[in-house]
Amino acid sequence: AQSVTQLDSQVPVFEEAPVELRCNYSSSVSVYLFWYVQYPNQGLQLLLKYLSGSTLVESINGFEAEFNKSQTSFHLRKPSVHISDTAEYFCAVSSNTNAGKSTFGDGTTLTVKP
Amino acid sequence: KAGVTQTPRYLIKTRGQQVTLSCSPISGHRSVSWYQQTPGQGLQFLFEYFSETQRNKGNFPGRFSGRQFSNSRSEMNVSTLELGDSALYLCASSFLAGDGQFFGPGTRLTVL
Repeated sequence: AQSVTQLDSQVPVFEEAPVELRCNYSSSVSVYLFWYVQYPNQGLQLLLKYLSGSTLVESINGFEAEFNKSQTSFHLRKPSVHISDTAEYFCAVSSNTNAGKSTFGDGTTLTVKP
Repeated sequence: KAGVTQTPRYLIKTRGQQVTLSCSPISGHRSVSWYQQTPGQGLQFLFEYFSETQRNKGNFPGRFSGRQFSNSRSEMNVSTLELGDSALYLCASSFLAGDGQFFGPGTRLTVL
């Protein structure tokens, strides 16, 4: 069985400040890790993923996440946020043999204030 | 490539009725999954279809069912609707396990 815990339900920050959204997971098998973003009234969009190799993965819009196997964490960070980053962020895991069934965390609402 | 499309985008039904939602995956994707999203329960996995076969099933009652056609398009059906079925239903498709899932915009179902 797999589970995902997002440690913060809401994270308010000021524009241009750094942010970290925390995610811990548990699984008895090898997993792939993902971060998705959801804007209001839309579906989820894949932000970045960790499959293997380098523990630091980056997205095209400045987010990065670091896989820490010993702490079973996959925290999402951005050094300087913009108003447009305001959205809900979901951490997810799936087994490497089962693409179609993901387990999601409860989500973190990131609110960027001017 | 066109993204995942879902129809209809909005539905209003009354208790006891049944509803069918449709999903067209990204071309070439054979895995289609369905999720229910509610404010109280978050994102919950309903089921996954791969090459017209149900490959995984979540913990939902038998009122929730689905199917997949030979062109990978999928439908889900909810019979005997209850107020608690009001939710955003999301469809997602994927090609390889490591690609992640690509989501449609969802169908918002309201049960009155």
